[in-house]
Amino acid sequence: AQSVTQLDSQVPVFEEAPVELRCNYSSSVSVYLFWYVQYPNQGLQLLLKYLSGSTLVKGINGFEAEFNKSQTSFHLRKPSVHISDTAEYFCAVTKPWGGSEKLVFGKGTKLTVNP
Amino acid sequence: DGGITQSPKYLFRKEGQNVTLSCEQNLNHDAMYWYRQDPGQGLRLIYYSQIVNDFQKGDIAEGYSVSREKKESFPLTVTSAQKNPTAFYLCASTPDRGLSFADTQYFGPGTRLTVL
Repeated sequence: AQSVTQLDSQVPVFEEAPVELRCNYSSSVSVYLFWYVQYPNQGLQLLLKYLSGSTLVKGINGFEAEFNKSQTSFHLRKPSVHISDTAEYFCAVTKPWGGSEKLVFGKGTKLTVNP
Repeated sequence: DGGITQSPKYLFRKEGQNVTLSCEQNLNHDAMYWYRQDPGQGLRLIYYSQIVNDFQKGDIAEGYSVSREKKESFPLTVTSAQKNPTAFYLCASTPDRGLSFADTQYFGPGTRLTVL
């Protein structure tokens, strides 16, 4: 079974500092990888996704992530964060052929951006 | 604007009562999903439906039931058999039932259920 590990449950940073949110997955086959963001008391929205091709994926709000197959990682980065980036971030994995292969979410990382 | 609506936003129920959470989408998406979110637990799949009049159990279906009589609607009933129902419930949809979980999920704003 697939699994996703988000290594940090909470990440506090100062405004305009860089941030990296770590995600590792366990799978021996090809995967699709996603990062979703959840603002307080709201649903999730897609930040970015890796399906195939370039390992560096750019998303919304200045975020990017790099797929590293050898390290089975998909870390999320932003070079300079804003107060408005304060939210919870979820990494998720599934298999490319869809069907009944479910989307597995990590437990989330709460990013707090302080002034 | 297209999207997913969930109602109510907050719901309180007494122990032993069944309660139904609404989920409606006007995105013309084929597949719909229900997730449960608990603090520090991420999202766990309750039920999903890839086509009208068909649905499948997810990882934590016990104590829940669903129906999919219309493409745009996927209500979730939390029954009295669910031992710990207090949680945040999220409904989602994806455009193509063939891709299903491999497709981008579009989420509603959620319903927070509290059992008193």
